[in-house]
Amino acid sequence: DIVMTQSPDSLAVSLGERATINCKSSQSVLYSSNNRNYLAWYQQKARQPPKLLIYWASSRESGVPDRFSGSGSGTDFTLTIRSLQAEDVAVYYCQQYYSSPFTFGGGTKVEIK
Amino acid sequence: ELQLLESGGGLVQPGGSLRLSCAASGVPFTAYAMSWVRQAPGKGLEWVSSISDSGGTTFYADSVKGRFTISRDNSKNTLYLQMNSLTAEDSAIYYCANGGAKARSAFWGQGTLVTVSS
Repeated sequence: DIVMTQSPDSLAVSLGERATINCKSSQSVLYSSNNRNYLAWYQQKARQPPKLLIYWASSRESGVPDRFSGSGSGTDFTLTIRSLQAEDVAVYYCQQYYSSPFTFGGGTKVEIK
Repeated sequence: ELQLLESGGGLVQPGGSLRLSCAASGVPFTAYAMSWVRQAPGKGLEWVSSISDSGGTTFYADSVKGRFTISRDNSKNTLYLQMNSLTAEDSAIYYCANGGAKARSAFWGQGTLVTVSS
């Protein structure tokens, strides 16, 4: 099984500042046949279902503000919120959809400092 | 856009069974692999099970293998999760989402709450 490890568990950032969340997979999620990383990032606000932000590790889902960006390849990935807004308070999860079980990271809670 | 609506949650005794349903609308259901993801109170997301677009291939988390069965009826645009031998550890909000093997989950339902308690 691929274990997804996120860090930090929580993060307090001032409005307008950068937030950086890390996700490490225990095995590569890079599919060599198409050179794609099967890694997604989700945002979950209180009492709501998750929302897809980023897929293929760095492709932004339609409608997602461009302050959200994803990077990384292989086993190490990062979600960056360039200029934190109040509406970005949420828990963020990474997930690998490379192989079953399609595991999630433990989540990172982002708050306003 | 795929719209998803779960139903079938509720209170069940330990050892009991429950069947969840997820009704899909908006775009061809058969275009998507589908998944169930759960979230215990105050906890993170846990992938439970996925099924291919045709229904011919299924995947399960070890925690539910042998107890839960995922299925779909493409003629009814509906995804199911049959849950047997339930324990307190199965108490969670169960979300239906597209995605699974090699596919991200862009569409999610609002979830249905399952509580296993005597």
